[in-house]
Amino acid sequence: DVKVTQSSRYLVKRTGEKVFLECVQDMDHENMFWYRQDPGLGLRLIYFSYDVKMKEKGDIPEGYSVSREKKERFSLILESASTNQTSMYLCASSTSEAYEQYFGPGTRLTVT
Amino acid sequence: ILNVEQSPQSLHVQEGDSTNFTCSFPSSNFYALHWYRWETAKSPEALFVMTLNGDEKKKGRISATLNTKEGYSYLYIKGSQPEDSATYLCAFRYNFNKFYFGSGTKLNVKP
Repeated sequence: DVKVTQSSRYLVKRTGEKVFLECVQDMDHENMFWYRQDPGLGLRLIYFSYDVKMKEKGDIPEGYSVSREKKERFSLILESASTNQTSMYLCASSTSEAYEQYFGPGTRLTVT
Repeated sequence: ILNVEQSPQSLHVQEGDSTNFTCSFPSSNFYALHWYRWETAKSPEALFVMTLNGDEKKKGRISATLNTKEGYSYLYIKGSQPEDSATYLCAFRYNFNKFYFGSGTKLNVKP
């Protein structure tokens, strides 16, 4: 079975802190994704990576950056956390054909 | 950002009831339509990937249909069970790496 893990299930940070959300997949997938989910809205794509060190902005990249130094790991970075970044963050991975996405369990981030 | 709508937002049914939900999406630039089930405290789990107009997929008591010309997909659950309680997400795939998700239908099945 494909396994996508995320470093924390729950995280509480203060405004202005630098926050790292880590995602690891064990299926040698080329593509990795970061989404956020807010009440009443669908999952929205923050960033996408199709290879090591390669990334593309999604629909809502402002306030975020990403890092992919190894194929299995994709990190989402909040350079200076703000309260409007309080959300559920989901990581996903897929093969290069991207036929199916496999999701991690999510990290619920609260910024106070 | 493309608009993908799911209805209803939530649904409460009794065990044994059959139910269905709708996913509406743009009828142009269709690549695929995905359905996921997301149980509380778990990862979203893929149910179906549908690519052709008229597609019908089935997994146990759950089935889905697809109409790409009019831009909708239905998900049906026959004889709902408490373990079917989850949020059901649809995702419209615009190209190979662009997925636009609906906000989901939250199903609660009472024993």
